[in-house]
Amino acid sequence: KNQVEQSPQSLIILEGKNCTLQCNYTVSPFSNLRWYKQDTGRGPVSLTIMTFSENTKSNGRYTATLDADTKQSSLHITASQLSDSASYICVVIPGYSSASKIIFGSGTRLSIRP
Amino acid sequence: NAGVTQTPKFRVLKTGQSMTLLCAQDMNHEYMYWYRQDPGMGLRLIHYSVGEGTTAKGEVPDGYNVSRLKKQNFLLGLESAAPSQTSVYFCASSYPDRKSSYNEQFFGPGTRLTVL
Repeated sequence: KNQVEQSPQSLIILEGKNCTLQCNYTVSPFSNLRWYKQDTGRGPVSLTIMTFSENTKSNGRYTATLDADTKQSSLHITASQLSDSASYICVVIPGYSSASKIIFGSGTRLSIRP
Repeated sequence: NAGVTQTPKFRVLKTGQSMTLLCAQDMNHEYMYWYRQDPGMGLRLIHYSVGEGTTAKGEVPDGYNVSRLKKQNFLLGLESAAPSQTSVYFCASSYPDRKSSYNEQFFGPGTRLTVL
């Protein structure tokens, strides 16, 4: 069964520190992988999108990496800010790319403390 | 552009009542989706539509119906609400990029539904 698993479930770090969130997936074949940020009470917003041929993509202080061989992705946040407190969701789109086959991880809840 | 909007934002229903959630998008997207989000679980697809007048079942369609009479609107109906339908509902839309299969989704702000 195609799955997307994220770790840790939750994370608390101090403002200004870096952190890395993990995503492991079993989806095969694989088309692209996305990271979304979801603020409390809001809908998810796209941070990065990577195809299977890309191994890194940056968006400001957010850098996503992808290892298609080991089926792992990570999201690295540099110099965290209070506004980074949110849930981060890893999303995988299978290679047979149907609108109904997008698979969402359950997310990592990140809290930034001053 | 307003993007994707959802109404209402909150709703409390009693078991057996019915209601309709409205999703609207102004980006001329072909695809629209309804998801539910429950604690500790990833977003799960209820129904989706790949164009005006077409709908299809997702992963968890039971107890819900949908309609897409206009391209910009996607309605989700609960005919007889049950406590198991207490959840946060998100609508999303996307424009299918068949060259790259990016198909980026844009989400609405969500509707928090409680069924007593």
